Amino acid sequence: DGGITQSPKYLFRKEGQNVTLSCEQNLNHDAMYWYRQDPGQGLRLIYYSQIVNDFQKGDIAEGYSVSREKKESFPLTVTSAQKNPTAFYLCASTTDGTITYEQYFGPGTRLTVT
Amino acid sequence: AQSVTQLGSHVSVSEGALVLLRCNYSSSVPPYLFWYVQYPNQGLQLLLKYTTGATLVKGINGFEAEFKKSETSFHLTKPSAHMSDAAEYFCASWGSNMLTFGGGTRLMVKP
Repeated sequence: DGGITQSPKYLFRKEGQNVTLSCEQNLNHDAMYWYRQDPGQGLRLIYYSQIVNDFQKGDIAEGYSVSREKKESFPLTVTSAQKNPTAFYLCASTTDGTITYEQYFGPGTRLTVT
Repeated sequence: AQSVTQLGSHVSVSEGALVLLRCNYSSSVPPYLFWYVQYPNQGLQLLLKYTTGATLVKGINGFEAEFKKSETSFHLTKPSAHMSDAAEYFCASWGSNMLTFGGGTRLMVKP
């Protein structure tokens, strides 16, 4: 079955440590996205990538970094510079070139930093 | 810049009652609009979408939404709520290579 995989489901880190969240898709989608979700708030875009080796900042990119070395993979690193990293992180993908622009979401990773 | 506003962060209905979740958008071009549902600790699942054509869009689980350009609205409805509809619902608009989401509405269904 095609889909988006995010691992792990739950992640715990100590303050000051960098942590990398995994996102893999086998949908052959061109574009991939990272969102952050906080309680009672909508989704906020962190980074997105439309093609391999290229990515753009979203609304809240500070304290985060990404890479897109393969079409299937778009890992997100939460650095120690991110002041409030505890949140639910969602990865999504979509096929460029379609008029629908429907995004498919992974199951999410809940990051807790103490 | 696009924006999406969902009126009411929490909506409570009785089982069997009408569900109405409100969404208004701002866009300088014809929008592509979406409704997603999220169950606790899960990702988002697409309920329905409007791109072009018929303004009344039917989705999964008995939900539908009507695109009203004159009102810049895309409200989500379901004639009869079921306990399993309890979740958070997000309206979104596509533009500038990204989705812009509303703040979400948590739907509670009372027995």
